[in-house]
Amino acid sequence: AQSVTQLDSQVPVFEEAPVELRCNYSSSVSVYLFWYVQYPNQGLQLLLKYLSGSTLVKGINGFEAEFNKSQTSFHLRKPSVHISDTAEYFCAVSSLQGAQKLVFGQGTRLTINP
Amino acid sequence: ETGVTQTPRHLVMGMTNKKSLKCEQHLGHNAMYWYKQSAKKPLELMFVYNFKEQTENNSVPSRFSPECPNSSHLFLHLHTLQPEDSALYLCASSQGSGQETQYFGPGTRLLVL
Repeated sequence: AQSVTQLDSQVPVFEEAPVELRCNYSSSVSVYLFWYVQYPNQGLQLLLKYLSGSTLVKGINGFEAEFNKSQTSFHLRKPSVHISDTAEYFCAVSSLQGAQKLVFGQGTRLTINP
Repeated sequence: ETGVTQTPRHLVMGMTNKKSLKCEQHLGHNAMYWYKQSAKKPLELMFVYNFKEQTENNSVPSRFSPECPNSSHLFLHLHTLQPEDSALYLCASSQGSGQETQYFGPGTRLLVL
């Protein structure tokens, strides 16, 4: 079975500052990794995903994440945030064999202050 | 209408009521999902359907009964719910059974009194 830990429940950041949202996972098998964003009163939207290949994954809205197998981490980063990035961010994992069974972390609420 | 839609967006029901949540996807996908999002808990997968067949039931209580009449529609029938079932119920769809991206609807906010 897989599990996901998002180390920060809330992250306040000033506009145009860089941000890193941390995600660690646990699994005894190889995994796929995902970051989703949820804006207020909306469903989840995929930001980026790691399936294989390059460990640095670029997503939408200027976000990127790096898969680190030795540290079982998949941290999300953005070099300069905007007010519109205020949202809840979810890290998720699935095994290769059970790719439809996404296991989510508890989420990190990112608040951008002007 | 595009993407994944869910109705109603908000629902208040008593513990003895019977209600249904509806999900419709306009993406031509073959897999559909129900998730539960409770306050202060991770998003939980409830059910998975592939080509109208249920392929996953994540130990969900029988008071939740899913139905998938075709690849575009998914229902969640609710009866004799408990207050702890109050949550946001999200529907998602994906192309098939692989690691394709899951596309989520806006959810139904359910309050059980």
